[in-house]
Amino acid sequence: EAGVTQFPSHSVIEKGQTVTLRCDPISGHDNLYWYRRVMGKEIKFLLHFVKESKQDESGMPNNRFLAERTGGTYSTLKVQPAELEDSGVYFCASSTHGTGGKIGWDTIYFGEGSWLTVV
Amino acid sequence: AQSVSQHNHHVILSEAASLELGCNYSYGGTVNLFWYVQYPGQHLQLLLKYFSGDPLVKGIKGFEAEFIKSKFSFNLRKPSVQWSDTAEYFCAVTPYGGATNKLIFGTGTLLAVQP
Repeated sequence: EAGVTQFPSHSVIEKGQTVTLRCDPISGHDNLYWYRRVMGKEIKFLLHFVKESKQDESGMPNNRFLAERTGGTYSTLKVQPAELEDSGVYFCASSTHGTGGKIGWDTIYFGEGSWLTVV
Repeated sequence: AQSVSQHNHHVILSEAASLELGCNYSYGGTVNLFWYVQYPGQHLQLLLKYFSGDPLVKGIKGFEAEFIKSKFSFNLRKPSVQWSDTAEYFCAVTPYGGATNKLIFGTGTLLAVQP
């Protein structure tokens, strides 16, 4: 079974440019998450999709970030225009069903991350 | 606000040494607790999780963790580490019964095991 795949694995862009990160979740997973880790900091939640709907986008830093999940399959995260502080590793994750709590909580599978460097 | 503290940022051990990584969380309600590991060049993967019941949980590769509710702690342990345990370890929590499985992570602990 294929895992969560992310593209590109590494990206270097100049401040002010646009970058689009893509995530392909495990087939059949309704839940898709985006997380980000800035160098030396903790991994922080950005947002959560259930199928094509945004369940929780409380972690999105500002309106320069736009996440979409067309048809409830793959997802993209666009940063426009990119700033220096956007540098970091962007992780995508997916899980089957269920929400918080013991019953229905499913293991969340992570991708390898997309390293973004803004110069 | 909920938060997770991992007090050990870098740990260096020799093979066969015992390991204990500290994790404390800040949240007033019931939580689900996790340890994730990221081996060099690989994705984050789940080591173990605690929802309820026996506070001592066992995970993969000989790891275990103990939930001490009174101390808001969920420390990770392994009696004898191997070189292949070299990785970054993340403690995480999620509130029980929430509408989302949003994970709140600690800053991670880099473990280097010397052969």
